[in-house]
Formats: sequence, C-alpha cells, structure tokens
Amino acid sequence: DIQMTQSPSSLSASVGDRVTITCQASQDISNYLNWYQQKPGKAPKLLIYDASNLEIGVPSRFSGSGSGTDFTFTISSLQPEDIATYYCQQYDNLRTFGQGTKVEIK
Amino acid sequence: QVQLVQSGAEMKNPGASVKVSCKASGYTFTSFGVSWVRQAPGQGLEWMGWISAYNGNTNYAQKLQGRVTMTTDTSTSTAYMELRSLRSDDTAVYYCARDRGGYCTGGSCPGWFDSWGQGTLVIVSS
Repeated sequence: DIQMTQSPSSLSASVGDRVTITCQASQDISNYLNWYQQKPGKAPKLLIYDASNLEIGVPSRFSGSGSGTDFTFTISSLQPEDIATYYCQQYDNLRTFGQGTKVEIK
Repeated sequence: QVQLVQSGAEMKNPGASVKVSCKASGYTFTSFGVSWVRQAPGQGLEWMGWISAYNGNTNYAQKLQGRVTMTTDTSTSTAYMELRSLRSDDTAVYYCARDRGGYCTGGSCPGWFDSWGQGTLVIVSS
C-alpha cells in the first residue's frame, strides 16, 4: 500500500498569509495526486487534481505542485473562508488519503 | 447538475450489516466510477473501495476485504455499499463520491473525486 504523509497536522496563520502544506508519498506516484478541502460537517471538495490542475470554480489563490514523492499545496493569501482541513490523495495504486492538515486563523 | 443523494442515518448492533445507497443524477452514470470514503468521528478520510458503474468491476481497501461489497444498479443510477460484521470502530460518516476513474484504477486512469454525496452516519452500538 502507498502511504501518504502530510505535514503539518495543523497550522495557525493570519488572514493574508501564504500557507503551505506538504504531502509525501511512500513511493513514486508521478503526478497522481489530488487535494481536497473539508469544512466541519460537510463533504470534502476537490480543489486540485493531477498535482497542479485547478478544479473549475476554485479560486486561483489555491495551487499545487510536485511530482514523484513530494508535493506542495499553497494558499497564496489566506482568507477567513479557507478555514478547513485539507487532504491529499494519491491514485497511482488504488486510492489513499493523507491524514489531513487543519488550518486555523491566528 | 451532478448530484449524489445518500440514504439516511443508520444505527446497528455489533455483528450486523448495513447497506448504504447513493443515487446519482445529472450525468451519465456508466461513464464514471463510484468510490466510497468513510470518516470516523474526529478522524481523517479513509478510502474504502471503488466500483466501475460501467462494468461492475471493484477494488477494495485491503483492510475491508471480505467485509465490504459494492454494487450498482444502472437502471436507477444507484450505487450501494454493504458492510458486514459491524464493529464499534465502523462508526463513521460514509460518503459516496463520483470517481473519475470509470473503467480502471491504475495511475494512468483518472482518480479524483469531483462530486460527493451528503454523507450517511452509521452508528454501531449495542
């Protein structure tokens, strides 16, 4: 099984800050990596697919990069509505989620 | 618009089975897969398995092999997930999601979830 390790598990930042989350795969997964946002009590929402492609309708302050085993998710300017937990997910071999990163406002 | 509507909350005794439904609308059901994802209280997302709505092929997470069965009814565009021999640690919100992998689950096939059901709470308790 492919393991996905996200860091940090939580972070606190100010409105307007640049926020970066990393996701590391236990083996090479090419660019087969997606990112989701989940707000409390809601279903997850797809933000980024194939490591760097923005889903239609998602604000451009969200971005993703990386390939192989190391991936990065960035919010260029944190907004109050971005408070959520973010998950990476690989699909090179079946599907696996990272453990999540909870983003809070400082 | 794409919509996935799941069945209502369930409370089950340990050792029982539960079957959750997921009715799709707004797209060609057989052109996509359906993945099931669960989330225990306060925990992260756990992928449970995938079914092709095109041909019924399935892939399950190893830890659930033998206890889970996923099926589809193409006449009603509905996917089902049955989990047997329920334990207290199966208590979770269960989500269905439209999986862009309609025919396969290898890396060369799309593998993201672009639409989700509202979730079904399953509580396992005596």
